[in-house]
Formats: sequence, C-alpha cells, structure tokens
Amino acid sequence: QKEVEQDPGPLSVPEGAIVSLNCTYSNSAFQYFMWYRQYSRKGPELLMYTYSSGNKEDGRFTAQVDKSSKYISLFIRDSQPSDSATYLCAMSAEGGADGLTFGKGTHLIIQP
Amino acid sequence: ETGVTQSPTHLIKTRGQQVTLRCSSQSGHNTVSWYQQALGQGPQFIFQYYREEENGRGNFPPRFSGLQFPNYSSELNVNALELDDSALYLCASSRVFYNEQFFGPGTRLTVL
Repeated sequence: QKEVEQDPGPLSVPEGAIVSLNCTYSNSAFQYFMWYRQYSRKGPELLMYTYSSGNKEDGRFTAQVDKSSKYISLFIRDSQPSDSATYLCAMSAEGGADGLTFGKGTHLIIQP
Repeated sequence: ETGVTQSPTHLIKTRGQQVTLRCSSQSGHNTVSWYQQALGQGPQFIFQYYREEENGRGNFPPRFSGLQFPNYSSELNVNALELDDSALYLCASSRVFYNEQFFGPGTRLTVL
C-alpha cells in the first residue's frame, strides 16, 4: 500500500461545477498538507497549505483535512476551463527532513 | 521577488554518462529540495539541503548527489546514468526546511 493514495482520473466536469478532489494517507506522522496544481510539462504550483486538521479557504479553493480519517480534500467552486490540470496532494511530517510525499495526481478536465 | 529557476530546460544523455542540474532558490529561502517525477507519477523526494548540508534523503542510490552553495543555489549530480533516470527533475525552495515548498519549472532529462 502506498503512503498516499490519489485517484489519477481523468475527472471530467462541466464549466461552473464544484470539483472535489481527494487523497487518503496511511502515515499518522503527517502534519502538513498541501495541494499543488501542475500544468503539462511544468513545475507544480502551490495552491493550498494547511497544518493539522481543519478547513482553509482561498478564493474559489477550499482545503479540508481530517486527520482522524487520514483524508484530505480540495474543493474548487465555479470551475473554469483554465482549472484543467493535474492536481497533486502532498504532505510531510514535523521537521520536514523526509521531504514531501506526493500522491500520483488527479487529471482534471473542465469542459467549456 | 524572483521565483525558483532551473537550468537547463531539457537535456539528452546516454547511459553511463554523468549529468549536473542547477537550481536557484527563491529570494529569502535557505532550504532546497530535489524531486524526481516520472511520467504519470507524483514527484519523489531525492534529498534536501539546508545551510549547505544535506538535511534529509529519500530512497535514492548514492550516485545521486548534491551541493548547496553559500547563496543557497544548488546542484544535483547523477553519475552512471540509467535509462530509468529519464524524468522531470524538480527543485523546490522554502524559508525553513519544513515550510511551504515552491517549485521551479523543472529540467527534463532523457537518457538514451
């Protein structure tokens, strides 16, 4: 079993829909949780960063962390064609010397 | 504020050769991490440098080595290249070694 599981998709939704992206993990030492957006053949762009459990909102994006279930989510409201990309979840333990552990990424397609 | 930059953008090597990849961290960042991203996969942590010392390492063999310089820029060196080393190599910098990591555009390495 991989440390971080993420459905690779593709996930195809119509423009304007609410998108829900999810990851599960097995390592209870993870304390920091991130979502990155990666366009084809580009470097990942940090979207959301949260510490421990709870919710965080930034514009159209909401990140949720449930440490008791080892489950994190990213919601995108009013989705746009420009949101079409691969979304990577990432997490790290306290101290961070083991680097970030990533999921495989979910390929999201927003249909105009 | 200048973001993370990497060079070269692409390069092609043959099996058995050696390669050096370069990264300039974002202004004010003192920690650099390197990741390998194979096609269709999430990035895999190679190692991290903090104040010119290797601070942590993932599951990569010793032929993957690195340096960090006083200006916090960094190099990744790979010896005895193998076909499986073909990947996108990503550099990320951060203010403290477990904080949000910001990625560069990557170097795409092809080993023939």
